[in-house]
Amino acid sequence: GESVGLHLPTLSVQEGDNSIINCAYSNSASDYFIWYKQESGKGPQFIIDIRSNMDKRQGQRVTVLLNKTVKHLSLQIAATQPGDSAVYFCAENIQGAQKLVFGQGTRLTINP
Amino acid sequence: DSGVTQTPKHLITATGQRVTLRCSPRSGDLSVYWYQQSLDQGLQFLIQYYNGEERAKGNILERFSAQQFPDLHSELNLSSLELGDSALYFCASSTHRSGGDTQYFGPGTRLTVL
Repeated sequence: GESVGLHLPTLSVQEGDNSIINCAYSNSASDYFIWYKQESGKGPQFIIDIRSNMDKRQGQRVTVLLNKTVKHLSLQIAATQPGDSAVYFCAENIQGAQKLVFGQGTRLTINP
Repeated sequence: DSGVTQTPKHLITATGQRVTLRCSPRSGDLSVYWYQQSLDQGLQFLIQYYNGEERAKGNILERFSAQQFPDLHSELNLSSLELGDSALYFCASSTHRSGGDTQYFGPGTRLTVL
């Protein structure tokens, strides 16, 4: 079926620590994945994407890992800052369906 | 700033009324998408337009309709409003026809139905 889920609805980390946000997907035909960040009262903001022919992609302070064997996607944020507080959504493109399916989101809270 | 603009930012209205939300896509983008996000909920896809034509429909109620104009801006019309229609409404745009492209979101319109 079409479902993109998140292992944890909330995540609290200490400022300066690394954060790992997980996402499970169920459709093995998905070929493109995106992470979005949504701050309170704002629209989702593109963070990073990865195609299914890759296992890892790095951006500025963020890394996305894709494990196709277990259909798992993760977003790693290095040296978490207060400005990283937000809800993070994963989204997948199901090949053939040509639409993005969004997960419910994980709320990341930074403790000082 | 994604380059996608939405107006108005806030809208307060009464049950039974009709409202129109407006969206301008990023320069060069031909696809426009509308999403509804209720409190602490995920993004619910409503509808996609590509270059003026409806391309895909999601969970859009019959009371809701949308269109994309020749200048590529889009409007979402919500009628016979109910309390449960209170939500954030986001517009997104992408370059191509495929809904699987990276979508860039606007700041949203917060609709409150009293």
